[in-house]
Amino acid sequence: QKEVEQDPGPLSVPEGAIVSLNCTYSNSAFQYFMWYRQYSRKGPELLMYTYSSGNKEDGRFTAQVDKSSKYISLFIRDSQPSDSATYLCAMIPTAGGTSYGKLTFGQGTILTVHP
Amino acid sequence: SAVISQKPSRDICQRGTSLTIQCQVDSQVTMMFWYRQQPGQSLTLIATANQGSEATYESGFVIDKFPISRPNLTFSTLTVSNMSPEDSSIYLCSVEDYGSSTDTQYFGPGTRLTVL
Repeated sequence: QKEVEQDPGPLSVPEGAIVSLNCTYSNSAFQYFMWYRQYSRKGPELLMYTYSSGNKEDGRFTAQVDKSSKYISLFIRDSQPSDSATYLCAMIPTAGGTSYGKLTFGQGTILTVHP
Repeated sequence: SAVISQKPSRDICQRGTSLTIQCQVDSQVTMMFWYRQQPGQSLTLIATANQGSEATYESGFVIDKFPISRPNLTFSTLTVSNMSPEDSSIYLCSVEDYGSSTDTQYFGPGTRLTVL
């Protein structure tokens, strides 16, 4: 079983839709959670960073963490064609120790927002 | 956030040859990382490169195949040695930016490698 599971999609939605992207994880040591956006032929770009359970909002993006369920989500409101990309969740354990700095990624979800 | 560049951006190589990929950062960083992203797959960490010490490799990756240099706090190289078609992948470097409000990682644009 992978440490981080993410549905690869592909996911296709109309412009203006609310998009929900999700990841589950099995390692309770993960404490920091990130979402990256990767456009075709580009490196991953950090979108959201959260620590601990709860919600974090940044413009049209909301990241949600539920540590009790080992489940994280990224919501995109009023989706735009420019949001079409691969979205990768990533996690990192608590600072310190041999796992420090090691990001574990989900497989990535391919999102297409069509006009 | 740190600005990261990689060279080359892409290359096509013959089986059995080696390619060295460069990663340059616009500020001094302690930790640099090298990842591989195979076609249709997510990112897999190859090794962690800290200045002044040997790189630390993840399970499944060895120094003879992926030698890494980290001569200073703004630069690192990854060499893919004795290449085979299975090494065709995107290779990405990332840095941990302690100057930002988070201790997360920022990525370079990647090097797209095709081995024939």
